Amino acid sequence: AIQLTQSPSSLSASVGDRVTITCRASQGINSALAWYQQKPGKAPNLLIYGASSLESGVPSRFSGSGSGTDFTLTISSLQPEDFTTYYCQQFDSYPLTFGGGTKVEIK
Amino acid sequence: QVQLVESGGGVVQPGGSLRLSCAASGFTFNMYGMYWVRQAPGKGLEWVAYIRHDKSKEDYADSVKGRFTISRDNSKNTLFLQMNSLRVEDTATFYCAKPQGGSPPRPLDTWGQGTMVTVSP
Repeated sequence: AIQLTQSPSSLSASVGDRVTITCRASQGINSALAWYQQKPGKAPNLLIYGASSLESGVPSRFSGSGSGTDFTLTISSLQPEDFTTYYCQQFDSYPLTFGGGTKVEIK
Repeated sequence: QVQLVESGGGVVQPGGSLRLSCAASGFTFNMYGMYWVRQAPGKGLEWVAYIRHDKSKEDYADSVKGRFTISRDNSKNTLFLQMNSLRVEDTATFYCAKPQGGSPPRPLDTWGQGTMVTVSP
């Protein structure tokens, strides 16, 4: 199975900060990577697919980049509603796998 | 609008069984493969099972293979997960999820609200 390693596992930031989260795959997955946001007690919400395509309705402050094994999610200017947990997921092959998550906390 | 509503969760003893359901609406259910994903309390996301739109293929995580069975009733727009031989480590919120269109596997663009399964002596 393809392992996804997210880093950091948590970070502290302030409103307005630029934040970057990294996801590394154990083998090449082309651009078959998605990013999700999950708020406490809620289901995950798709933000980015195909490594860099913004899902409809997602604010443009979210962006993704990368291909092969190294990927990043960037939030250009953190808003209060962005302080929550983010997961990467590969959809290159089964079993689908998720990263361990990154919790973005208020500094 | 596209909607997924899970039901069937509850408390069960180790070794017991539960059947989860997921009612789909707002899209052409029989054109999409469907997924179950779970999340243990305070933990990350784990893919559990997948079934093709036409029921011709199923796939399972190793952790549930041989114990869980995914199925669907396209006439009723409903997805199921039969869970047997439940273990304490199966305790989790179970989500059904719909993928984007296109050749699978695909990212999951719609999720249900989740149903909680607790396996406890």
